[in-house]
Amino acid sequence: KNQVEQSPQSLIILEGKNCTLQCNYTVSPFSNLRWYKQDTGRGPVSLTIMTFSENTKSNGRYTATLDADTKQSSLHITASQLSDSASYICVVVTTSGTYKYIFGTGTRLKVLA
Amino acid sequence: DTEVTQTPKHLVMGMTNKKSLKCEQHMGHRAMYWYKQKAKKPPELMFVYSYEKLSINESVPSRFSPECPNSSLLNLHLHALQPEDSALYLCASSQEGKKRSSYNEQFFGPGTRLTVL
Repeated sequence: KNQVEQSPQSLIILEGKNCTLQCNYTVSPFSNLRWYKQDTGRGPVSLTIMTFSENTKSNGRYTATLDADTKQSSLHITASQLSDSASYICVVVTTSGTYKYIFGTGTRLKVLA
Repeated sequence: DTEVTQTPKHLVMGMTNKKSLKCEQHMGHRAMYWYKQKAKKPPELMFVYSYEKLSINESVPSRFSPECPNSSLLNLHLHALQPEDSALYLCASSQEGKKRSSYNEQFFGPGTRLTVL
């Protein structure tokens, strides 16, 4: 069964600190993996997209890693800001028949002043 | 224009009402999606339209009726909803066919917050 699991479920950190969110998946066939940021009551916004051959990709203070062998990904946030408070969703795209998004359960991040 | 727009932002309706959610994109995308998202849960796929034809219906109750009038518009008609249908309804679009990107990225709208009383 295609599954994407994220940890932790929720996280509270102080402004300026770093944090790392984890994503483990059992999805086949694998096309690519994405991290989205979703503010409460808003639609998800793409942060990074990683294909099978990519190990690391950065987008400003966000750095995603992918280990296709162990089927794990992480999202590292550097020097957190209050505006980073949101849900972070890991999505694995599978190409079984048609492109389909398999969503993780998300990590809710709260950054405190 | 790289935006997916949704109207209304908020909607409150009774169980006997008929209402519609609207979604629009002008990126030339030929695939459009409806998702339902409950609080603290990931989005759940409801429908997929490809080239204005319904290609996926994830066993959604008939009280939800999608419509794709043209390649830029996607509607979701609502009738006789239940309180448990209250959720954030997200629309998304992506490239399809010959122009399909290997990434097939979906662009999401801001959502419509629906409350059924």
